[in-house]
Amino acid sequence: EAGVVQSPRYKIIEKKQPVAFWCNPISGHNTLYWYRQNLGQGPELLIRYENEEAVDDSQLPKDRFSAERLKGVDSTLKIQPAELGDSAVYLCASSPSSRSGANVLTFGAGSRLTVL
Amino acid sequence: GEDVEQSLFLSVREGDSSVINCTYTDSSSTYLYWYKQEPGAGLQLLTYIFSNMDMKQDQRLTVLLNKKDKHLSLRIADTQTGDSAIYFCAERHGNTGKLIFGQGTTLQVKP
Repeated sequence: EAGVVQSPRYKIIEKKQPVAFWCNPISGHNTLYWYRQNLGQGPELLIRYENEEAVDDSQLPKDRFSAERLKGVDSTLKIQPAELGDSAVYLCASSPSSRSGANVLTFGAGSRLTVL
Repeated sequence: GEDVEQSLFLSVREGDSSVINCTYTDSSSTYLYWYKQEPGAGLQLLTYIFSNMDMKQDQRLTVLLNKKDKHLSLRIADTQTGDSAIYFCAERHGNTGKLIFGQGTTLQVKP
């Protein structure tokens, strides 16, 4: 079974440029998460989707960040314009459902963003 | 508030036991997790424990939970060089279901 797939793995851009990250979750997983991991820190949730609905986006900086999961499967996270402080690893994760049981998250390998 | 704290670094010799500690603040946490992250990779689930349990053992891994003190530990028996990684403790917030991660403990295993 394929795991959570993310692309690109690495992206280097200049500040004020746009950037987009793509995630394909595990087949059948209803819940999809985007996390940001700063250097030396644990992941912090940006947004959580239940199918195509964003149910927790309280930590998403909405002035420059946007996300979508149009058909309830794969998802895109966009930053426009990027700032120096956006340099981080962007992790996507998925789980069968956030409402039951242990709700184990499976993470992708991450997309490392460097803003110059 | 939501806070998970871990010590930043642990160094052990190969073959010794490693104990990684974590404290959390949310008394309504339902599940607590340990994830492992190797360089350049995402987080990999190692194990988890339900909040009404005080111990869980899985091969070389032993998780101890002291709910009264809000303290979680992960013991790795017979630590190997392949265990070198960053270990993250996480709690599942009881009310929101949100997963809160600690800042990670870097485990260094010396041959």
